[in-house]
Amino acid sequence: DAKTTQPPSMDCAEGRAANLPCNHSTISGNEYVYWYRQIHSQGPQYIIHGLKNNETNEMASLIITEDRKSSTLILPHATLRDTAVYYCIVNSGYSTLTFGKGTMLLVSP
Amino acid sequence: EPEVTQTPSHQVTQMGQEVILRCVPISNHLYFYWYRQILGQKVEFLVSFYNNEISEKSEIFDDQFSVERPDGSNFTLKIRSTKLEDSAMYFCASSPDGTHGNTIYFGEGSWLTVV
Repeated sequence: DAKTTQPPSMDCAEGRAANLPCNHSTISGNEYVYWYRQIHSQGPQYIIHGLKNNETNEMASLIITEDRKSSTLILPHATLRDTAVYYCIVNSGYSTLTFGKGTMLLVSP
Repeated sequence: EPEVTQTPSHQVTQMGQEVILRCVPISNHLYFYWYRQILGQKVEFLVSFYNNEISEKSEIFDDQFSVERPDGSNFTLKIRSTKLEDSAMYFCASSPDGTHGNTIYFGEGSWLTVV
């Protein structure tokens, strides 16, 4: 699986949009971009994934650049409960997930 | 919403004892996984299981570990003789199938403390 690079930490004010970046310059054509989060040692929670097109669900939006070398996860109105470690993972879906260190997002009042 | 459930949520065991961690994957899912996370470290893959056999395993998954699907609903991880370094959170996960773009769903974890 391709390697990803994420900032170690980010801050966001409650109610504002949280934009979490991820670089995956070595992504191959059949690999998806997956986002998971982990709230305080709970199980990783699936958020969203995409291949080429931007995706949106009830939790978040995923914006993938045209060259697919980077992406951004957007939480449109962050709440205190969104404080978590966010993992960007590149994976074909055929194989197991490889977790990195992720981005620690701290949402403050 | 369907979810992966795990028991026990926390277990304390003596070094050298056998431990069985249990999981009920999401109904109709075909692939099952175990991951672990040592305190303060990354989530690590242990093993994947499909069609009643191991499909992939990591170097962590040595002869002390085994997995089983004893019936149509449960998926278990057994550690035969626990070591102090086995203390970790163990996550069970499942996915619908192995197709392209598949999504893996995780349980809340079983915290194992070896003393």
